[in-house]
Amino acid sequence: AQTVTQSQPEMSVQEAETVTLSCTYDTSESNYYLFWYKQPPSRQMILVIRQEAYKQQNATENRFSVNFQKAAKSFSLKISDSQLGDTAMYFCAGMMNYGGATNKLIFGTGTLLAVQP
Amino acid sequence: DGGITQSPKYLFRKEGQNVTLSCEQNLNHDAMYWYRQDPGQGLRLIYYSQIVNDFQKGDIAEGYSVSREKKESFPLTVTSAQKNPTAFYLCASSISPDRGVEEKLFFGSGTQLSVL
Repeated sequence: AQTVTQSQPEMSVQEAETVTLSCTYDTSESNYYLFWYKQPPSRQMILVIRQEAYKQQNATENRFSVNFQKAAKSFSLKISDSQLGDTAMYFCAGMMNYGGATNKLIFGTGTLLAVQP
Repeated sequence: DGGITQSPKYLFRKEGQNVTLSCEQNLNHDAMYWYRQDPGQGLRLIYYSQIVNDFQKGDIAEGYSVSREKKESFPLTVTSAQKNPTAFYLCASSISPDRGVEEKLFFGSGTQLSVL
């Protein structure tokens, strides 16, 4: 079965500090994409960062970076210099079997991040 | 501007009524998806389609139906068989892996469905 698991329902961080959100996944496929999405109170889904499974280098987008451990099937998100606007629900997602007949995007249950002033 | 348009933003359903949620994209994407989000929970896949005139059931397809007659459109019908339809519905699209370009995913702004 293909699954994405987020074990931290809620997290809190002080403004300007660093926080790491955890995500693990399970797939037997070798070709897949992994994503982190942000959902603020507006409920618009915003892509934060993505990682191709075949790339060993961890993806980075400004203050956001991932720690992709393929063997451990782990895909954590690090937010540096946290800002109040980072307060949102964060979803980890995977597009497993990329290019195959059953290609579909699977989401974790989300982590609610609160950035405290 | 290119993007995904969902309508309406809010929708109310009466008992025994079928309602249809619209999802249109002008991104020339091949794949489209429908997700359901309940309060405080993640997104669950209802249906998805990778090409025109073809679609597959997701994890919670019971009580829902879709069509994909045009590449740009992927409407979702919530039938009277769906006994708990109150939720936030999100439509998404992505380019086909066969196109040989980097994967990109876009989401619409969602439709909140409530039961009267």
